[in-house]
Amino acid sequence: GEDVEQSLFLSVREGDSSVINCTYTDSSSTYLYWYKQEPGAGLQLLTYIFSNMDMKQDQRLTVLLNKKDKHLSLRIADTQTGDSAIYFCAESKARSQGNLIFGKGTKLSVKP
Amino acid sequence: ETGVTQTPRHLVMGMTNKKSLKCEQHLGHNAMYWYKQSAKKPLELMFVYNFKEQTENNSVPSRFSPECPNSSHLFLHLHTLQPEDSALYLCASSQDRAGGYEQYFGPGTRLTVT
Repeated sequence: GEDVEQSLFLSVREGDSSVINCTYTDSSSTYLYWYKQEPGAGLQLLTYIFSNMDMKQDQRLTVLLNKKDKHLSLRIADTQTGDSAIYFCAESKARSQGNLIFGKGTKLSVKP
Repeated sequence: ETGVTQTPRHLVMGMTNKKSLKCEQHLGHNAMYWYKQSAKKPLELMFVYNFKEQTENNSVPSRFSPECPNSSHLFLHLHTLQPEDSALYLCASSQDRAGGYEQYFGPGTRLTVT
């Protein structure tokens, strides 16, 4: 299977919370990242979490890491139409630091 | 200019052409990267440069030739490409290639090979 897996699509209503999930395979990953890509643009780092943490919160974003299950999630509270984008989960492998392994991305659609 | 810029933004080329993609970072970073983003596939790392030295080449075909003349500029020279090379090519930079340093991405060059 893929190193990093994500569901391809998520649709939510404006004001609801969005939860985007990701699983990875390499237990030696040191950093896990969430990137956002808007149409016609490059990737923008939203947040990252070090593997010895289980939660990180930054304004409307909450990242949860379950290292035992190799599961990462990104929760966006009070989702807005401007949050519509593709969200990529990525891991940085310990044996090849700095080289990010990306998932295929989850396309988030926010309906008014 | 700020951040990471890429030119051209769009490129259409024939299979026999030779062209180059340019990336410039204005962030004072030491590491630069080329990625390929194809539809329905994960983002693929192609090359990594750290302090102008190539440190990673992920089995990229020789029809893609990178060049890093200094820490601020990165080129991708293209020749004899195939239609399956059509993709969005993203450049990124980071302070260092070590893990944990944020990678800043450019907007990409949309390449179409006819």
